[in-house]
Amino acid sequence: DAGVIQSPRHEVTEMGQEVTLRCKPISGHNSLFWYRQTMMRGLELLIYFNNNVPIDDSGMPEDRFSAKMPNASFSTLKIQPSEPRDSAVYFCASSLRGGTGGSPLHFGNGTRLTVT
Amino acid sequence: GESVGLHLPTLSVQEGDNSIINCAYSNSASDYFIWYKQESGKGPQFIIDIRSNMDKRQGQRVTVLLNKTVKHLSLQIAATQPGDSAVYFCAENIATGRRALTFGSGTRLQVQP
Repeated sequence: DAGVIQSPRHEVTEMGQEVTLRCKPISGHNSLFWYRQTMMRGLELLIYFNNNVPIDDSGMPEDRFSAKMPNASFSTLKIQPSEPRDSAVYFCASSLRGGTGGSPLHFGNGTRLTVT
Repeated sequence: GESVGLHLPTLSVQEGDNSIINCAYSNSASDYFIWYKQESGKGPQFIIDIRSNMDKRQGQRVTVLLNKTVKHLSLQIAATQPGDSAVYFCAENIATGRRALTFGSGTRLQVQP
């Protein structure tokens, strides 16, 4: 099992540029989560999907952030335009039974985003 | 790589000693709890979980205790090893509303050889 795969591992971009983060969940998992980790705020849930459908996006900071899950094996998190305060580590996670609870999340190794 | 805050509480133990990491959770409606370990430059790694109808669960070298009365969770690591050095997070799943894991702020465990 390859685990949750995220790309790129590191991203450095200038303010105002579009950033796209990618995630491949564990095969067979039906829930996918995007989290952001910063020194000040810790791990924050941004959005999660059940069966490719967004269930809760209340953690998405603002309209500059959008996430899609076109199929069960792929998701993207896009920031447009990016700002320096978006600098963080972005984690994708998947689980067998998210949302309804009772199933652990399995995390990727994250994308470290730096916006200058 | 940076993955945690500057002001995390830190627990320092000697190799071979037992470690106890504590967590106060926020919501009495939480029905499922997980402990995660995060090493530098990596994502959180699942250690052990427990449901609200239990008060203790044991794994390999780890035990999780749940006290719902005071909303307290603890992780006990037996015979702590240098490889246990990491940041440990508790996470709770609230049974109503959002129903996605909410993470605590973490505790850094430093194991002295």
